[in-house]
Amino acid sequence: QKEVEQNSGPLSVPEGAIASLNCTYSDRGSQSFFWYRQYSGKSPELIMSIYSNGDKEDGRFTAQLNKASQYVSLLIRDSQPSDSATYLCAVRDDKIIFGKGTRLHILP
Amino acid sequence: GAVVSQHPSRVICKSGTSVKIECRSLDFQATTMFWYRQFPKKSLMLMATSNEGSKATYEQGVEKDKFLINHASLTLSTLTVTSAHPEDSSFYICSARATSRDGYTFGSGTRLTVV
Repeated sequence: QKEVEQNSGPLSVPEGAIASLNCTYSDRGSQSFFWYRQYSGKSPELIMSIYSNGDKEDGRFTAQLNKASQYVSLLIRDSQPSDSATYLCAVRDDKIIFGKGTRLHILP
Repeated sequence: GAVVSQHPSRVICKSGTSVKIECRSLDFQATTMFWYRQFPKKSLMLMATSNEGSKATYEQGVEKDKFLINHASLTLSTLTVTSAHPEDSSFYICSARATSRDGYTFGSGTRLTVV
């Protein structure tokens, strides 16, 4: 059974600080990794994809992948109250498998 | 970017009736679409994988006779909840991808309430 694990939170971060979200996955052969943001009552929105070891930056977001450790993370710099949401880590093989999500709360 | 349109966004129906939810890929062809269900404060649960021109593949525990999926074209998949009951009340979301390396784009979701 392939699994994606995330801490459910809530993770509280002061406005302007860096929010760090972590995810581990069970299938060592996985190749594609995604971070989605989901606001309450809304569908998930893709914010980052990463396929290679290392860091990938897009604006205030940085995704980090370490395949040897089977670990994916998402850093959000200069956190804003609008970043408050649930962040879903996802791993794709023949179908996409989601973690249960981490609730992030940015404190004004 | 890829856009997936899902309708209706919200529906209330009586117990025992059927409800159809549509999911369209607007600017790309989706050979495969996925249907999820999400209960309040829970994660997405994959219900089935919808393949254009063939039968859907259902996840374990999902009743294929209750959740009918049709994927008649490369841009349209439908989910019909038959003989709905209050326990079917949930947030139903479809998703699709444009290419093999793309992330999945989600529809806006359908909030189903069965009374």
